[in-house]
Amino acid sequence: EVQLVESGGDLVQPGGSLRLSCAASGFTFGSYWMHWVRQAPGKGLVWVARINSEGTTTKYADSVKGRFTISRDNAKNTLFLQMNTLRGEDTAVYFCARDNPDSRGYSGPDFWGQGTLVAVSS
Amino acid sequence: QSVLTQPASVSGSPGQSITISCTGTSSDIGRYDFVSWYQHHPGKAPKLILYDVTDRPSGVSDRFSGSKSGNAASLTITGLQAEDEGDYYCASYTTTITWIFGGGTRLTVL
Repeated sequence: EVQLVESGGDLVQPGGSLRLSCAASGFTFGSYWMHWVRQAPGKGLVWVARINSEGTTTKYADSVKGRFTISRDNAKNTLFLQMNTLRGEDTAVYFCARDNPDSRGYSGPDFWGQGTLVAVSS
Repeated sequence: QSVLTQPASVSGSPGQSITISCTGTSSDIGRYDFVSWYQHHPGKAPKLILYDVTDRPSGVSDRFSGSKSGNAASLTITGLQAEDEGDYYCASYTTTITWIFGGGTRLTVL
């Protein structure tokens, strides 16, 4: 069974940093692209970042570019999101998600975790 | 464009059919057949129900179907059931090699 379990969410002050983790199991983690997607309170889903299976290429939404870094440790089946210079608008539930292996191209995630809450406030 | 356009809410009675629209641009939906739909119940993991516009993952009911025309995609649910209630999001790949989601549609089964 595919499982994705996020952790690391917390209350942090504006300007602070946080690192999220996502533990993967039930599939060959190192063979899949992975994504981070977030949902602010009462708002919709917003794509944040993507990393390829080897961890060599990444892509970010403009809103987090230069502040967030997606990375992975395939030996430990873990995905990370390093978040720096956090702002109030970064307050959200952060989901990690596996890229869909059945898509003929780039249809995005298939399996998702349940998310971890990041709150940015003084 | 920061988000694909979806209606905020739709509703239907059990057994009826509903359609949720998702409007983008020539830089996303209009350019690629990489549109996905997700069902989300708050507090839970979103669930993929359609990908590549029309394809259903294993285990998803054939009551869910998708289509695309020009810059817009649609999700149709036939034979509405109480368990279908929830939030639905479309998503598309874009020409900037990123993904964009819709604002979400709350489906209420009356």
